[in-house]
Amino acid sequence: QVQLVQSGAEVKKPGASVKVSCKASGYTFTSYDINWVRQATGQGLEWMGWMNPNSGNTGYAQKFQGRVTMTRNTSISTAYMELSSLRSEDTAVYYCARGLRVRGVIKAIGYWGQGTLVTVSS
Amino acid sequence: QSVLTQPPSASGTPGQRVTISCSGSSSNIGSNTVNWYQQLPGTAPKLLIYSNNQRPSGVPDRFSGSKSGTSASLAISGLQSEDEADYYCAAWDDSLNPVFGGGTKLTVL
Repeated sequence: QVQLVQSGAEVKKPGASVKVSCKASGYTFTSYDINWVRQATGQGLEWMGWMNPNSGNTGYAQKFQGRVTMTRNTSISTAYMELSSLRSEDTAVYYCARGLRVRGVIKAIGYWGQGTLVTVSS
Repeated sequence: QSVLTQPPSASGTPGQRVTISCSGSSSNIGSNTVNWYQQLPGTAPKLLIYSNNQRPSGVPDRFSGSKSGTSASLAISGLQSEDEADYYCAAWDDSLNPVFGGGTKLTVL
């Protein structure tokens, strides 16, 4: 079965960077884009961007342009999301997620990692 | 300040039918399909409905979705206590990137 297993919780100081990993299993890693979505405590879901694990191509939400970098290591089926210049407002649970493909077309974000809590505090 | 607009809360009693609305614009719901997610406390979102009204395998048929114009709705019939959760709508925007609603907290009274 499809599984996305993320790295553990992080505590960072303002101005620092954080790198979250997402290890995929149960499918061919290079066949599906990986999306990153975050959720601040008590808040809604916010899409950050996508990465194509096959090509390495990325697309970032305008809000995060210049601060986020999404990469991958295909040999270990793992995607990474690095966010720099952290501020308190970046405190959130960060999710990696994969699409649900129906008859060859991606219909929705269908599979989610368990989430990684990133706390930014001085 | 979510792109899609949902009521912050909804409630119902066991066995009742409840609906949750989601309002967008011509650049998202109006031109693309809508998905719905259920999020239980402390867990990741779970896909409930895709392509406006399709259920992934394993999702009970008590959950149904519909779309009209720039709005969509999620209906839950035969409400159960385990349905108490946050519900999010989502749609693709014109760049085919996902946008989300702010979420609706469903309370089963």
